[in-house]
Amino acid sequence: GAGVSQSPSNKVTEKGKDVELRCDPISGHTALYWYRQSLGQGLEFLIYFQGNSAPDKSGLPSDRFSAERTGGSVSTLTIQRTQQEDSAVYLCASSLMGIEAFFGQGTRLTVV
Amino acid sequence: LAKTTQPISMDSYEGQEVNITCSHNNIATNDYITWYQQFPSQGPRFIIQGYKTKVTNEVASLFIPADRKSSTLSLPRVSLSDTAVYYCLVGDTGSARQLTFGSGTQLTVLP
Repeated sequence: GAGVSQSPSNKVTEKGKDVELRCDPISGHTALYWYRQSLGQGLEFLIYFQGNSAPDKSGLPSDRFSAERTGGSVSTLTIQRTQQEDSAVYLCASSLMGIEAFFGQGTRLTVV
Repeated sequence: LAKTTQPISMDSYEGQEVNITCSHNNIATNDYITWYQQFPSQGPRFIIQGYKTKVTNEVASLFIPADRKSSTLSLPRVSLSDTAVYYCLVGDTGSARQLTFGSGTQLTVLP
């Protein structure tokens, strides 16, 4: 596709349920990033991938969060047993190495 | 990672030139300076990137002094649509890890 695509655009889930957020990066981009942004706040770095590997997972808020990337392309961010404090916009970005990063429109997650 | 410091907020009027300065005292030799713009309900958008001296594109200019411990993003003749949060990032472009956003500067352009 022409840009970074994230799905779903909006997700409302009940507390305790698991959710999966998907990111389709720009074709050929080797680096992929996940961020979380709460209302009125800055971007909280979660994890990045170089190819299929994630060298640094220290940004993930808890062990309920996990992410994977397959085929050097699509990435999935999974949140298990969601809590209300997980409500935020989850943003994905991709780049060719560390140069200009292109962001998707995000997934707005609401945990009720 | 080089830490960056920016003003939390700035106000300007339409038609004025706006300069936003970012401090990055611990910048490394291989680090580049990159600025992003974020509108409400959107992901950040790349504006400009530079290593030293001055870089200009159709949107902005980036001024970097010789010691590279700070940089200034210059927006000429701002309009209401330039109201956004502006982020300064410092990192090695050869490393995917170096993409950490600080708090940013909320620029509000007034009529």
